[in-house]
Amino acid sequence: DVKVTQSSRYLVKRTGEKVFLECVQDMDHENMFWYRQDPGLGLRLIYFSYDVKMKEKGDIPEGYSVSREKKERFSLILESASTNQTSMYLCASRQRAPETQYFGPGTRLLVL
Amino acid sequence: GQQLNQSPQSMFIQEGEDVSMNCTSSSIFNTWLWYKQDPGEGPVLLIALYKAGELTSNGRLTAQFGITRKDSFLNISASIPSDVGIYFCAGSNYGGSQGNLIFGKGTKLSVKP
Repeated sequence: DVKVTQSSRYLVKRTGEKVFLECVQDMDHENMFWYRQDPGLGLRLIYFSYDVKMKEKGDIPEGYSVSREKKERFSLILESASTNQTSMYLCASRQRAPETQYFGPGTRLLVL
Repeated sequence: GQQLNQSPQSMFIQEGEDVSMNCTSSSIFNTWLWYKQDPGEGPVLLIALYKAGELTSNGRLTAQFGITRKDSFLNISASIPSDVGIYFCAGSNYGGSQGNLIFGKGTKLSVKP
């Protein structure tokens, strides 16, 4: 079974803090994704990566950056957390084909 | 941009009833996926469809990839309380987004024992 793990299930941070969210997958998938999920807005793509050291902006990249130094690990970074970044963050991974994404359990982030 | 319309938004059903939900797209997809999400958890893949007309089952769940490649439906037979959750459809194609998924807004299912 594919396993995608996220470093924290719950996080509470203060405005202005730098926040790191880590995601690890164990299936040697090439592609990894970060989404945020908010009530009424559904899942929105923040960043994705097709390979090590590669990154592409998704639909809402502002205020975020990512790092992919190793194939199995994809990190989301909030450079200076703001209250409007309070959300559920979901990591996903998939092999190049077929296009089936597998999600991690999510990190619920609260920025005070 | 591409959009997925998922309906219904919510359903309240009695245990034992069958459930049907669907997604329609404004454009053609090569892949349709159905996920279930429990409160506070990440979406879990239920069924993946890769060919137009494909009908696939997973236990009490059955999903179909529409012939036009613009729609898909998910049926749940004989619902039970643990079926409660939010069901999402997702589609992708090989276009400019390089296969990134487009998600429906979800169908929230409630089951009365």
